[in-house]
Formats: sequence, structure tokens, C-alpha cells
Amino acid sequence: SQTIHQWPATLVQPVGSPLSLECTVEGTSNPNLYWYRQAAGRGLQLLFYSVGIGQISSEVPQNLSASRPQDRQFILSSKKLLLSDSGFYLCAWSVDQNVAQYFGPGTRLLVL
Amino acid sequence: GQQLNQSPQSMFIQEGEDVSMNCTSSSIFNTWLWYKQDPGEGPVLLIALYKAGELTSNGRLTAQFGITRKDSFLNISASIPSDVGIYFCAGQSSGTYKYIFGTGTRLKVLA
Repeated sequence: SQTIHQWPATLVQPVGSPLSLECTVEGTSNPNLYWYRQAAGRGLQLLFYSVGIGQISSEVPQNLSASRPQDRQFILSSKKLLLSDSGFYLCAWSVDQNVAQYFGPGTRLLVL
Repeated sequence: GQQLNQSPQSMFIQEGEDVSMNCTSSSIFNTWLWYKQDPGEGPVLLIALYKAGELTSNGRLTAQFGITRKDSFLNISASIPSDVGIYFCAGQSSGTYKYIFGTGTRLKVLA
């Protein structure tokens, strides 16, 4: 069966520091991968998606970036965090377009 | 842009009662998904709907893909305390990877 991992689970970072969040999927090949951000009490906002290694599409312009160095690894990064980057970051995968997405456990980021 | 309205925003119900919530869209969707999210965790997929008119059950949960393709409903029968959480709908149009998410229905069950 497929599983999706995210780490770290929780992160507290100062403003201006760099960020690296990692997501890995097991049990499937060539998944579509997604990064979402969820603000407190709000819905999910799609940040990036990837259909293959090195292929990244950005949905929202911001100071975040994403990379996919391996088939089942998706990384969310920032060179300099802003206060507004605080939130709950969720990684998700799907086997294809127009089918269900499955979410990881999330990373809670607090920027101080 | 596309909008997805989910209602109710929150509800308190007595244990054993049935629950209904719905989502409506300003545009046609080809896929509807329903998720449940517990505090501090990622959303868990409950039901996926891929066809207009489709009615799918998962235990005490039943969801329907509206015939107009602009709405979907989730029903929970005989609610229990562990049903507490936030329920999200998500819809997707053809030709896009992007799901539009509702703002969630917060369910609280009174024992």
C-alpha cells in the first residue's frame, strides 16, 4: 500500500531564515505530487504541483519554491521566511489527474 | 475565478443523529472529493465521486455527485463522538490538476 511521509512535523523558524520541508511517497511510481498551505481555520491553497522529476508548476507567486529531485520526493523551500509563511503545510499525491489526492500528516510551521 | 461554497460552517448535533452537509460550485466539476480532518493532522479521504448522479457509501457515510455537476452532498448517519472534526469538499474541473477546496464544515457531536 502507498504511504506518504512529511518531516519535520513541527518547525519554529525566525524571520529571514531558510526553509526546507520534505515529502516522500512510498508504494507507487511516478505520482503527481502537490504542496498545499492551510491557514488556521481555512481551506487548502495549492502552492505547487509536479507531474514528474524536475517538473514543477507554481500556482501562487510567493517567496517559496519547490523541487522534485527524485521520483517520489518533493521539497518545499524558501531562502528567507516571512511572518506570513506561518501555517500548516500539506503534501499530497495522486496517481493521475482528475482522481483522488491523498494527503500526508502535514508540517506545522511557525515563523517568529 | 471558481468558487466553492460549503455549508453549514459548523454544527452541533446529538450523538445518534444524522448529519447533512453540502457544497455548491459556480462552475461544473468532473470530480468531487470529501475529506475529514482532525486537529493537527492531514485530511483523510472519505469518498471520491467521478460521475454525475453517483451515490457512494463508506460505512455510515454517503455522498452524492449532484446531477447538475455543480454540487455534492455528504450525509453521516447515526453520528458518534469520533465523527467530530472538519469535513472538506473538493471539486475539480476537467483539464486541470487543481482541486478547489471548500472552507470546511466543523462538526461537533454531543454525547
